[in-house]
Amino acid sequence: SQTIHQWPATLVQPVGSPLSLECTVEGTSNPNLYWYRQAAGRGLQLLFYSVGIGQISSEVPQNLSASRPQDRQFILSSKKLLLSDSGFYLCAWSVQGFNQPQHFGDGTRLSIL
Amino acid sequence: DQQVKQNSPSLSVQEGRISILNCDYTNSMFDYFLWYKKYPAEGPTFLISISSIKDKNEDGRFTVFLNKSAKHLSLHIVPSQPGDSAVYFCAGVDSGGSNYKLTFGKGTLLTVNP
Repeated sequence: SQTIHQWPATLVQPVGSPLSLECTVEGTSNPNLYWYRQAAGRGLQLLFYSVGIGQISSEVPQNLSASRPQDRQFILSSKKLLLSDSGFYLCAWSVQGFNQPQHFGDGTRLSIL
Repeated sequence: DQQVKQNSPSLSVQEGRISILNCDYTNSMFDYFLWYKKYPAEGPTFLISISSIKDKNEDGRFTVFLNKSAKHLSLHIVPSQPGDSAVYFCAGVDSGGSNYKLTFGKGTLLTVNP
């Protein structure tokens, strides 16, 4: 069966520090991969999605970037964190194609001080 | 602009009875809808989905109904169990878009009382 791993579960970082969140998927090949964020009091917002290695699409302009160095690895990064980057970050995967449900990891709670 | 609305922030139901969770959407381009369940400190778990070519989809205790003309969908859980207590999110997808983006509602907290 397929599984998705996200780490760390919680992270506290100072403003201006770099960020790297990692997500890996097991049990499937060539998945679509996604990064979402939930800011306090708001719904889930799609940040990035990827349909293949090295293929990244950004949904909203922001202080973050994403990379997909391997088929089942998706990384969310920042060179310098802002206070507004605080939130709950979720990675998800889906089978390629239309009308495929997305399956989420357990998320990372990021607090910027 | 909130394209997916879950107008009831919470719902309380007795064990064994039916739970009905409602969701309204405004984006007429949505043609695929999903329901997720979320426990605290966990990511959302996919429950059930429905394509806009259908008006009903059933999976065990869970049934999703879609009324396209009213832009309304609902999730029925029968019978409700205490383990169903969680936050439920509905989401819509515009399959014609290129980004597979799920647009979520803000969720409804379901409490099933023993």
